[in-house]
Amino acid sequence: DAGVTQSPTHLIKTRGQQVTLRCSPKSGHDTVSWYQQALGQGPQFIFQYYEEEERQRGNFPDRFSGHQFPNYSSELNVNALLLGDSALYLCASSLPRKGSFKGDTQYFGPGTRLTVL
Amino acid sequence: AQSVAQPEDQVNVAEGNPLTVKCTYSVSGNPYLFWYVQYPNRGLQFLLKYITGDNLVKGSYGFEAEFNKSQTSFHLKKPSALVSDSALYFCAVRGNSGNTGKLIFGQGTTLQVKP
Repeated sequence: DAGVTQSPTHLIKTRGQQVTLRCSPKSGHDTVSWYQQALGQGPQFIFQYYEEEERQRGNFPDRFSGHQFPNYSSELNVNALLLGDSALYLCASSLPRKGSFKGDTQYFGPGTRLTVL
Repeated sequence: AQSVAQPEDQVNVAEGNPLTVKCTYSVSGNPYLFWYVQYPNRGLQFLLKYITGDNLVKGSYGFEAEFNKSQTSFHLKKPSALVSDSALYFCAVRGNSGNTGKLIFGQGTTLQVKP
């Protein structure tokens, strides 16, 4: 049973560039959430996708956008990169029971390490 | 505002001794509480969660956690620590407002188990 996979594992970009990160959810899961984990910090919620729509968003600027595909995989796009965007980006998948997102368990991928120079 | 606090940056224990990693939370309504572990250069691994019911929750790898509503705490415990338990531990919470999927994480506690 494949877990959550993310690509690439590492990425180096320069300020002002754009980046796309990819995530494939755990088999059978239909919901994908993205988190940003800065060095020495806990993960911060970026947004969550369900049924190909963004259903909830954290406190991140519009430079952060995403997409979910019919096969439930997802992309995170970041435009106009800033030095402060350097972080580990984590994708988590889940399967809400009876439409409840509160009680479901999110399973995380290994992350993509983004470095902005 | 909803929040999670992990008051200890690091916890040191000897192998074979019991361990406790502390977590307190602040949310409106009944909380949904989670513990995750992160090994170096890895994502987060789910350990256990409390939704409702018994205040003592058992999880993976021999870990358990006790929900204490009056103290708003959800401490992670293990009766006998292993060197392989050394890692970064995160407590997380979801509030009861709406059908939120957002997890709010603490800053993390590094557990060091010495042989």
